[in-house]
Amino acid sequence: GAGVSQSPRYKVTKRGQDVALRCDPISGHVSLYWYRQALGQGPEFLTYFNYEAQQDKSGLPNDRFSAERPEGSISTLTIQRTEQRDSAMYRCASSPPSPATGGEQYFGPGTRLTVT
Amino acid sequence: ILNVEQSPQSLHVQEGDSTNFTCSFPSSNFYALHWYRWETAKSPEALFVMTLNGDEKKKGRISATLNTKEGYSYLYIKGSQPEDSATYLCAPNNSGGSNYKLTFGKGTLLTVNP
Repeated sequence: GAGVSQSPRYKVTKRGQDVALRCDPISGHVSLYWYRQALGQGPEFLTYFNYEAQQDKSGLPNDRFSAERPEGSISTLTIQRTEQRDSAMYRCASSPPSPATGGEQYFGPGTRLTVT
Repeated sequence: ILNVEQSPQSLHVQEGDSTNFTCSFPSSNFYALHWYRWETAKSPEALFVMTLNGDEKKKGRISATLNTKEGYSYLYIKGSQPEDSATYLCAPNNSGGSNYKLTFGKGTLLTVNP
């Protein structure tokens, strides 16, 4: 079946512009996670959803970052007034229902964001 | 901020060697420990999710153990092959079960020379 998909795969934007990154999780997966990954580093947690409810947004760096998942499926991560330091790989992951552990996470291919 | 340490940062082994590396994490509020395999330019791929102290999981030549009381997990690779070359990431969940947030370590970069 289809895995987690993200779009666009690459985004180059000018400083000050807003960007919206999209994640389409695996069908039936309840939980959806957003991460930011710097070159050569492990993913850094940003936020996650169970269904449409945002459960934890403690990793969002500041109020320019927001995320939504209005119908409990596709999610959008929005960065307003982008800055060069926002340049990174943004990864989305989803996991199936698993009350015990949250379940293993299936990662998408990521969106490489470059702010010039 | 959760302190997750992985060691070594990198290692090189010869094909056929067995190897292991460590993930250390706080034992307080431990709920689960995830291991992922990540090849650069690809997405991280789940290896194991472990929850119980003393847990041991195995997938082919790769296995992992878990000690939740002292806060560490070992990942073992038996008879390393060049295709095992990747970064191995661990990620504990120390929420006590209240949420699914993972904190990833910086990883151990394994290079297996043919």
